Formats: sequence, structure tokens, C-alpha cells
Amino acid sequence: QKEVEQDPGPLSVPEGAIVSLNCTYSNSAFQYFMWYRQYSRKGPELLMYTYSSGNKEDGRFTAQVDKSSKYISLFIRDSQPSDSATYLCAMSGGGTASKLTFGTGTRLQVTL
Amino acid sequence: AAGVIQSPRHLIKEKRETATLKCYPIPRHDTVYWYQQGPGQDPQFLISFYEKMQSDKGSIPDRFSAQQFSDYHSELNMSSLELGDSALYFCASSEQLAEKLFFGSGTQLSVL
Repeated sequence: QKEVEQDPGPLSVPEGAIVSLNCTYSNSAFQYFMWYRQYSRKGPELLMYTYSSGNKEDGRFTAQVDKSSKYISLFIRDSQPSDSATYLCAMSGGGTASKLTFGTGTRLQVTL
Repeated sequence: AAGVIQSPRHLIKEKRETATLKCYPIPRHDTVYWYQQGPGQDPQFLISFYEKMQSDKGSIPDRFSAQQFSDYHSELNMSSLELGDSALYFCASSEQLAEKLFFGSGTQLSVL
């Protein structure tokens, strides 16, 4: 079993919809939680970064972390066709040069 | 803003050949990470360097080696290439003790 589980999708929603993306994890040492957006054949782009439990909002994006349930979420409001990409959750335990453990990514398609 | 620069963008090699991938981190970033991403897969951590010293090692084959130079750029050397080495290779950089990783656009390696 992978340390980080993420539904690969694909997830198709109409423009303007609210999108909910989720990951679960098993390693309780994870302290830092991130969401990356990756377009086809491009590098992952950091969207949201959260330390420990709680919510963080940035424009149309909201990240939630529930460490007690080992569950993280990314919400996208008013989704746009340009949001169509693969969304990867990632997490680490912290410390110098700490590596990231990624989920498999959820492919999102926002249709007109 | 300056980003992580990787070269070459694409590389085609034959089996048993050698390849060298280069990575130039964001200015003032002293930590470099290498990840391998197969088609439809999540990025897999290979190796990281902090202040020119190897800091962590993941699923990197013995046929691969890497180093970080005095100007903080890094090179990933891959020898005796196999068909299964075909993948996108990403470099990421961060500041010391920072969990935010910024990724380059990757090198697409195709082994024929």
C-alpha cells in the first residue's frame, strides 16, 4: 500500500463548478502538505502549502488538512477550463532537504 | 522571477548509452532534488543534495549518480541506459529548511 493515496480520476466538471480533490495518507510523521498542479509534460507547479492541520485559502483555492483523519483536500471554486490539469498532493516530514512523497495525481477536466 | 532550469529539454539515447542531465536551481536555493516520473505515474524521489553534499537517497539505481557543484547546479549521470529509464526527469530546488519545492520543466528521456 502506498503511503499517499489519491483517486486518479479522471474527474470531469462543468465550468463554474466547485471541485473537491482529496488524498489520504498513512504516515503520521508528515507535517507539511502541498498541492501541485501539473500540465501535460510540464513540471509540477506549487499551488498550496500548509503546515499541520487547518485551512488555507488563496484566491479560488482552499486547502484543508485534517491530521487526525490523515486526510487532505483541495477545493477549487468557480472552476475554469484553464484549471484542467493533473493535481498532485504531496507531503513531507520536514527537516533539511526533506523529500516529498506524492500521490498519484487526479486528472481534472473542466468543460465549457 | 527566475525558475529552475533544466537541460536538455528532450534527450534520445540508445540502450547501454550514457546520459547527463543538468539542473540550475533558483538563485539562493541551496538544495536540489531529482525526481523521476514515468507515464501516468507520480514523481518518484531519486536523490537530493544540500550544500553540495548528498542529503537523502531514494530509489536511484546504482547505474545513476549525481552531484552538486560549487555554484549549486546539479548533474544527474545515467549509465548503461535501459528501456525502462525512459521517463520525465525533474529537478526541484528549495532553500534550506524550507519544504516548498519548486520544479523545473523536466527532461524527457527516451531510451530506444
